[in-house]
Amino acid sequence: DAGITQSPRHKVTETGTPVTLRCHQTENHRYMYWYRQDPGHGLRLIHYSYGVKDTDKGEVSDGYSVSRSKTEDFLLTLESATSSQTSVYFCAISDWQSSYEQYFGPGTRLTVT
Amino acid sequence: AQSVTQLDSQVPVFEEAPVELRCNYSSSVSVYLFWYVQYPNQGLQLLLKYLSGSTLVESINGFEAEFNKSQTSFHLRKPSVHISDTAEYFCAACETSGSRLTFGEGTQLTVNP
Repeated sequence: DAGITQSPRHKVTETGTPVTLRCHQTENHRYMYWYRQDPGHGLRLIHYSYGVKDTDKGEVSDGYSVSRSKTEDFLLTLESATSSQTSVYFCAISDWQSSYEQYFGPGTRLTVT
Repeated sequence: AQSVTQLDSQVPVFEEAPVELRCNYSSSVSVYLFWYVQYPNQGLQLLLKYLSGSTLVESINGFEAEFNKSQTSFHLRKPSVHISDTAEYFCAACETSGSRLTFGEGTQLTVNP
């Protein structure tokens, strides 16, 4: 299995509070991604990174920001959490040689009350 | 941009019966196609992929998928399912020149004894 960890694995937070989710990889892969998974929607891309300090928006980026200061870490921040951001968040990684082949972390279940 | 549609949200079958999970895609450019599997409370795992060459691709646990360019489909099949195949299955597409995956909505396969 690809070396991807996510923290925390579960979090309950209140509306309006900031939340940061962390993705850590030990594979030295260039690309990293954040997705959210919601019933009936599959997985939707929030943001992705193609290198240190190089990031871009996905299809559902509103309300989220990301940072990547090191190859191994990709942080997802909800500046002011809303109930619509209750979801399961997955991080994924891929190598530059086969960037289409992504490996997923175990997920973070976030509940915003 | 591409889109992926999984035609069945839930597929219940009996153990040892055959199964087909349907996936159609839409894209103006060439794509790679994937099937991912998600077991309960886990991340996604790559099941099989079509990049080029033979249109029939197989996984190590007996699943196969056939790329049909004229029908823009990539259906997943297994001739005889096991209880352990119970999971959610996601079809995904990626432009051959890119790294961003587009996922379908998912199909929950439930294998009953």
